[in-house]
Amino acid sequence: DTEVTQTPKHLVMGMTNKKSLKCEQHMGHRAMYWYKQKAKKPPELMFVYSYEKLSINESVPSRFSPECPNSSLLNLHLHALQPEDSALYLCASTIEGQLMSSYNSPLHFGNGTRLTVT
Amino acid sequence: AQTVTQSQPEMSVQEAETVTLSCTYDTSENNYYLFWYKQPPSRQMILVIRQEAYKQQNATENRFSVNFQKAAKSFSLKISDSQLGDTAMYFCAFLYGNKLVFGAGTILRVKS
Repeated sequence: DTEVTQTPKHLVMGMTNKKSLKCEQHMGHRAMYWYKQKAKKPPELMFVYSYEKLSINESVPSRFSPECPNSSLLNLHLHALQPEDSALYLCASTIEGQLMSSYNSPLHFGNGTRLTVT
Repeated sequence: AQTVTQSQPEMSVQEAETVTLSCTYDTSENNYYLFWYKQPPSRQMILVIRQEAYKQQNATENRFSVNFQKAAKSFSLKISDSQLGDTAMYFCAFLYGNKLVFGAGTILRVKS
């Protein structure tokens, strides 16, 4: 069982569709992440939210729009995607680690959403 | 920028034997954290072991242990008594602040 829950597990969408991915955690973590992972490749960081504020955007195209409505919830809104955006999208969370604080916990990952853009 | 290199794309090991996965990294920072994550076909990323850079003692977690050489920027993972359930993609990862960077991964196959 994972403590980070992602829905849906699978999503197929057309290039003109608008859809959203959802991620939820109830561990009291204050940093949440979106990663994109292609087959047999490592996860690539997309966004980091810290205390519900966007702290890192890895130059992700604007067709991906993250949102953090509260400390437990993270969304990724998708619009006008391309077939090359098909991938596994992983959400993760961690206790907010201030830069080089004495306590820096590992990331806890969800099971991901398998996205196919047709 | 931090980079992580895993030079072994694929490895195989017989059940009950020991295998070592290599990882090197590059950073100018002095304090950071290193992790090994496992991703089986179920696709969930599972934390295997963690190492704080300021600790000289190598981390151990049951059958999993690391050889952390800070000066050489090396962080290898040793799996003892390999089990079929260890078959997975293994990622070495570097954490500094809120940014976790992964190596390319090593596919490990445990054979019966």
